[in-house]
Amino acid sequence: DTAVSQTPKYLVTQMGNDKSIKCEQNLGHDTMYWYKQDSKKFLKIMFSYNNKELIINETVPNRFSPKSPDKAHLNLHINSLELGDSAVYFCASSHTGLAGTGELFFGEGSRLTVL
Amino acid sequence: AQSVTQLGSHVSVSEGALVLLRCNYSSSVPPYLFWYVQYPNQGLQLLLKYTSAATLVKGINGFEAEFKKSETSFHLTKPSAHMSDAAEYFCALNAGGTSYGKLTFGQGTILTVHP
Repeated sequence: DTAVSQTPKYLVTQMGNDKSIKCEQNLGHDTMYWYKQDSKKFLKIMFSYNNKELIINETVPNRFSPKSPDKAHLNLHINSLELGDSAVYFCASSHTGLAGTGELFFGEGSRLTVL
Repeated sequence: AQSVTQLGSHVSVSEGALVLLRCNYSSSVPPYLFWYVQYPNQGLQLLLKYTSAATLVKGINGFEAEFKKSETSFHLTKPSAHMSDAAEYFCALNAGGTSYGKLTFGQGTILTVHP
C-alpha cells in the first residue's frame, strides 16, 4: 500500500488550461502539504492543511487553489496555467502536534509540463 | 528566519570511499533537522532526523549525521560509498512549535559514485 499517493504522475498541457492534481494519504496523519520543486530541484512549500484547515499559504498566486475534503485528501487545482508553472509538485503528510517533529512523508511527485 | 545551506552542489566519490555531504543551518529556535534522499524520478525518502535527542543520529542505508550546535552544522556521512547511494540529497530544517512541519530545504547535493 502506497502511503502518500498522487495522481496523475505526469501531466502535459497547454498554457491557459486548468488542471488538478489529487493526493491521498493512508497514514492517519493530520497535516498535508503541497511542495513545488522547480527545474533547479529547489523545493519550496506552497500550502499546508491541518485537519482540513488551511494553515500555511506561501504567497502562491491565487490561480492555485488547494482543497482538502477530509484529513486524508488534499487536491491542488491550477487555473490558467503558465509556462512558469512547469515543475514537479509533491504532496506530503505528517503528524503534527505536541509530539510531532514535522517529519514529512512524501508522495512520488506529479510532473507538470506546460507547453 | 530559517535557512539551510548545502556546500557543494555535486560530490563525486569512488565506491568504498567516505561520503561527506555538508549542511549548515540558521535558525532562531532550536531546530529539527532532516536529511532526505531523492532517486531519479522519485519522491523524497527520509534518511535520518535530529529531534533534540542524541546529537549523533543514525539513519537508513548506513548513513549518519552529527548535530553540532556550535558550528550550526548537520553533515551527512557514510563510511563506505555504494553505487546505489548515487542520488540527490537534501538537508532540511523544521523550526518546530507552530510551524506545522514547514520544512526549509537546502539546494540539494548530487552524489555520484564511481566504480
